[in-house]
Amino acid sequence: DIVMTQSPDALAVSLGERVTINCKSSQSVLYSSNNKNFLAWYQVKPGQSPKLLIYWASTRESGVPDRFIGSGSGTDFTLTISSLQAEDVAVYYCQQYYTTPSLTFGGGTKVEIK
Amino acid sequence: QAQLVESGGGVVQPGGSLRLSCVASGLTVSSHGMHWVRQAPGKGLEWVAFIRYDGSNEDYADSVKGRFTISRDNSKNTLYLQMNSLRAEDTAVYFCAKDGVLTGWEPYYMDVWGTGTTVTVSS
Repeated sequence: DIVMTQSPDALAVSLGERVTINCKSSQSVLYSSNNKNFLAWYQVKPGQSPKLLIYWASTRESGVPDRFIGSGSGTDFTLTISSLQAEDVAVYYCQQYYTTPSLTFGGGTKVEIK
Repeated sequence: QAQLVESGGGVVQPGGSLRLSCVASGLTVSSHGMHWVRQAPGKGLEWVAFIRYDGSNEDYADSVKGRFTISRDNSKNTLYLQMNSLRAEDTAVYFCAKDGVLTGWEPYYMDVWGTGTTVTVSS
């Protein structure tokens, strides 16, 4: 199985500041035939179910604010929140869907307000 | 509004069985694969199982293979998870989720999630 490693485990950032979350896969999730990275990002707010933010590494899901930006390719990916808002407090997970059927998630990154 | 609602969770003894259900409303799931994903207390997300849109194939995480069975009834817009030989480590909130790719042959990402149902395995 592909192992997804996120960093940091947690971070506290001031409102309006930039947040950067890293996700590294143990092998490439870039499918050469279509040049797509098989990687998604989710947000899990306290007491809520997960919400899809980004898929194909950089495609924002409909309705997701444009301050959420997915980037990266191959084995290294980043979720950036360009200007942290209070409602962004959550745990964020990356997920690979390159090696199916064994989908795997990263361990999660907790984002708090400083 | 698209919604998935799980039910069937509860407290069960080790070795016991439970059947979870997930009913879709405001969306037709017959053209999408469906997943079960779980989150143990204080832990991260773990993918559990996937079934193709037409029910022709199922995939399972190694941790549940041979004990859990995913199924669907498209006429009822409903997904199921039959859980047998339950263990303490199966204790979690179980979410059903819709796959984001139309008529996808493999599991991809999950774009609609249910509210979750809690399963507790304890003696």
